[in-house]
Amino acid sequence: GQSLEQPSEVTAVEGAIVQINCTYQTSGFYGLSWYQQHDGGAPTFLSYNALDGLEETGRFSSFLSRSDSYGYLLLQELQMKDSASYFCAAPTSNTGKLIFGQGTTLQVKP
Amino acid sequence: KAGVTQTPRYLIKTRGQQVTLSCSPISGHRSVSWYQQTPGQGLQFLFEYFSETQRNKGNFPGRFSGRQFSNSRSEMNVSTLELGDSALYLCASRRSGTGDTEAFFGQGTRLTVV
Repeated sequence: GQSLEQPSEVTAVEGAIVQINCTYQTSGFYGLSWYQQHDGGAPTFLSYNALDGLEETGRFSSFLSRSDSYGYLLLQELQMKDSASYFCAAPTSNTGKLIFGQGTTLQVKP
Repeated sequence: KAGVTQTPRYLIKTRGQQVTLSCSPISGHRSVSWYQQTPGQGLQFLFEYFSETQRNKGNFPGRFSGRQFSNSRSEMNVSTLELGDSALYLCASRRSGTGDTEAFFGQGTRLTVV
């Protein structure tokens, strides 16, 4: 089958760094995406890793290790507005179908 | 440019009824995917349409169907509604769906079945 596993909840304080892990099992791997979703909002794209290594976009970075079937999202200098759910997702083919992890709820405390 | 538009935002239906949800993708985007989001099951893929053809289908019963029009707008239909169909239905558009990596989601339609 195809599955992505991530922690259900993470709590951190403002200004800190937090890492959200994602391990995957997919038949045919094309890459790993990360999406952010605020309560009542639409998921928004954060990053995509097709190759091993670190991709940095401002305060957010994403890492992929294909050999370990593992990736993570790193959020630095946490702000209150970063409180949201974060999903890892993997395309199962070179089309629009995405398989999502169950999501990690990040709570940022003052 | 305008984002992905889903209508209606909220719906309340009775068991046994049917419902049609609409999604207008970003201008120029030809791929539209539909997802069901529930607290228990998370985000689950329903189907994807590209150039008016269904290109992928998830593991949902035949009561769930969709179509795409020549202007790339898409509709999904759920017949004989069940209580378990209560969910947030999200659509996502991509420019082509081939080699693209970013999906743009709409705000969703919150369906409640009573």
